[in-house]
Amino acid sequence: QTVVTQEPSFSVSPGGTVTLTCALSSGSVSSTHYPSWYQQTPGQPPRTLIYNTNTRSSGVPDRFSGSILGNKAALTITGAQADDESNYYCALYMGSGGVFGGGTKLTVL
Amino acid sequence: EVQLVESGGGLVKPGGSLRLSCAASGFTFTNAWMSWVRQAPGKGLEWVGRIKSKINGVTTDYAAPVKGRFTISRDDAKNTLYLEVNSLKTEDTAVYYCSALGYPQYFQYWGQGTLVTVSS
Repeated sequence: QTVVTQEPSFSVSPGGTVTLTCALSSGSVSSTHYPSWYQQTPGQPPRTLIYNTNTRSSGVPDRFSGSILGNKAALTITGAQADDESNYYCALYMGSGGVFGGGTKLTVL
Repeated sequence: EVQLVESGGGLVKPGGSLRLSCAASGFTFTNAWMSWVRQAPGKGLEWVGRIKSKINGVTTDYAAPVKGRFTISRDDAKNTLYLEVNSLKTEDTAVYYCSALGYPQYFQYWGQGTLVTVSS
């Protein structure tokens, strides 16, 4: 069974930079997994941030960027703002469907 | 404007069934691959399954925990996606989101979700 792992929590100072990662239980994440990233605040549906590793969804500020770092997918937030405090989920395409990571709770303080 | 509006959630006893619907507008539903994603209370997102478009054979795929119990279907004439959930277990309690898939293979649009509670 495929498991996708994210940091459970992360903290960043306002204006700071943070990189969240998304790893596979076995093997490396590559562009063929079409990594995507979603932001969710409690009580709201997810908001699509990044798809196809590094393409920003419409309306997403350029302080959000995606990449492959080593054997993981990564989401970097540059110049974090208070309203970036949210849960962040990655998703990987595994051939017959998608698998989500467990999510990272990001605190901005 | 793209809209996905889920309905059909509610309280159901273990072993029961429900049919969830997702009414789509603002995009060409006929060409879209569609997916269901769920989120248990206080937990993360979980992919449930997807259905391809008619031109791609309307084939379906499911996550292991729901395979054999859940069925995804679509009515392109009504721009509506369905999720038939049977043999429900308490661990199926979740908000169920419908999502339109973008290329390549990402959850492009999301509905607001419908809550399914399985409890005796």
